[in-house]
Amino acid sequence: ILNVEQSPQSLHVQEGDSTNFTCSFPSSNFYALHWYRWETAKSPEALFVMTLNGDEKKKGRISATLNTKEGYSYLYIKGSQPEDSATYLCARNTGNQFYFGTGTSLTVIP
Amino acid sequence: NAGVTQTPKFQVLKTGQSMTLQCAQDMNHEYMSWYRQDPGMGLRLIHYSVGAGITDQGEVPNGYNVSRSTTEDFPLRLLSAAPSQTSVYFCASSYSTGVPYGYTFGSGTRLTVV
Repeated sequence: ILNVEQSPQSLHVQEGDSTNFTCSFPSSNFYALHWYRWETAKSPEALFVMTLNGDEKKKGRISATLNTKEGYSYLYIKGSQPEDSATYLCARNTGNQFYFGTGTSLTVIP
Repeated sequence: NAGVTQTPKFQVLKTGQSMTLQCAQDMNHEYMSWYRQDPGMGLRLIHYSVGAGITDQGEVPNGYNVSRSTTEDFPLRLLSAAPSQTSVYFCASSYSTGVPYGYTFGSGTRLTVV
């Protein structure tokens, strides 16, 4: 089973709130987990590539953690801003193929 | 500007017509791939290539052909378009598959088959 699942499907938060979303994936034969940010009318943009159990990555106010043994990754946004509004995708990398989740759509209300 | 260039951005086809979606990258990436994006579904892999002369099928390859004669180009051919192929198509490339690099995506091609 190669399904990647993301929750919640959509999220509305007030400006300044912190938020997080979940990506679940099969834990067997893990290679890498990717997070992408996808703004409307643009292309997905790579945020993080995570490979090791316990990995934590950070870029500005956005961070991610990885648990390969239980098959999940969390993406955190601290102090959300309207420009953070986008769909956040995670993808399981099996080496030659990526399997994408359907994304979490985040709307930050000013 | 460096990146992944897709053409055309929009296309309308009649059922049964064939066409080629173009994808070119100037980053010397080994790995190139094609995805389709449909409402309510994640990006699904159609075909991919790990280098010039090497291609392989992804999740949803039926009705599509690819070739990789150069490192830079990875065209996607629709052999006989069907309404089920109405979708947004993204080309993506990566430096290598040996190390887990992230993708660089093209801007997408919105295809409608009537």
